[in-house]
Amino acid sequence: NAGVTQTPKFRILKIGQSMTLQCTQDMNHNYMYWYRQDPGMGLKLIYYSVGAGITDKGEVPNGYNVSRSTTEDFPLRLELAAPSQTSVYFCASSSGTGAYNEQFFGPGTRLTVL
Amino acid sequence: GENVEQHPSTLSVQEGDSAVIKCTYSDSASNYFPWYKQELGKRPQLIIDIRSNVGEKKDQRIAVTLNKTAKHFSLHITETQPEDSAVYFCAARLSYNYGQNFVFGPGTRLSVLP
Repeated sequence: NAGVTQTPKFRILKIGQSMTLQCTQDMNHNYMYWYRQDPGMGLKLIYYSVGAGITDKGEVPNGYNVSRSTTEDFPLRLELAAPSQTSVYFCASSSGTGAYNEQFFGPGTRLTVL
Repeated sequence: GENVEQHPSTLSVQEGDSAVIKCTYSDSASNYFPWYKQELGKRPQLIIDIRSNVGEKKDQRIAVTLNKTAKHFSLHITETQPEDSAVYFCAARLSYNYGQNFVFGPGTRLSVLP
């Protein structure tokens, strides 16, 4: 299994541009998450999904959108990029079965908005 | 909502000494507490976790303790080695939230000096 994969690894955007961060998992996990990690800080939840077709906002959703058309994929869309969105973005997944489920993280996407 | 505090923010120890990192949480409904290790430029990786019905768990040099009454949990690393140097994050998961959302602490940067 490849686990959780993310593309691209690095990206530089100009203010006002848009882009989609891709996330794919091959573990048949129901739950998927998007986090951002600012330099020297912890992880903040942007959006999450409990299954295909179901998404919900996390702690910091403004400026982002998500969709979940399949179990495997959970893309994150940035519209009108702003310097405040400069961060490292991690996608994660968990099985969601049972009460205690480890989150598996992707390698991250480092985004800079200039 | 849940709030997780973590102390200290930085910790330096001599190789072979023990390191202790402490976290507190605010919502008594949280029932699962994982700890993640993040090396520079890498993704967070689970190192140990504890469920709310357990008071202590050990895995070789790593242990976690949980005090539900006081709403705090701690990570203990014994016989520290240089490869233990990393940022450590605690997290708490709310049991009543169907999204199984995790709230992360801000992190502790551990440096093990040779």
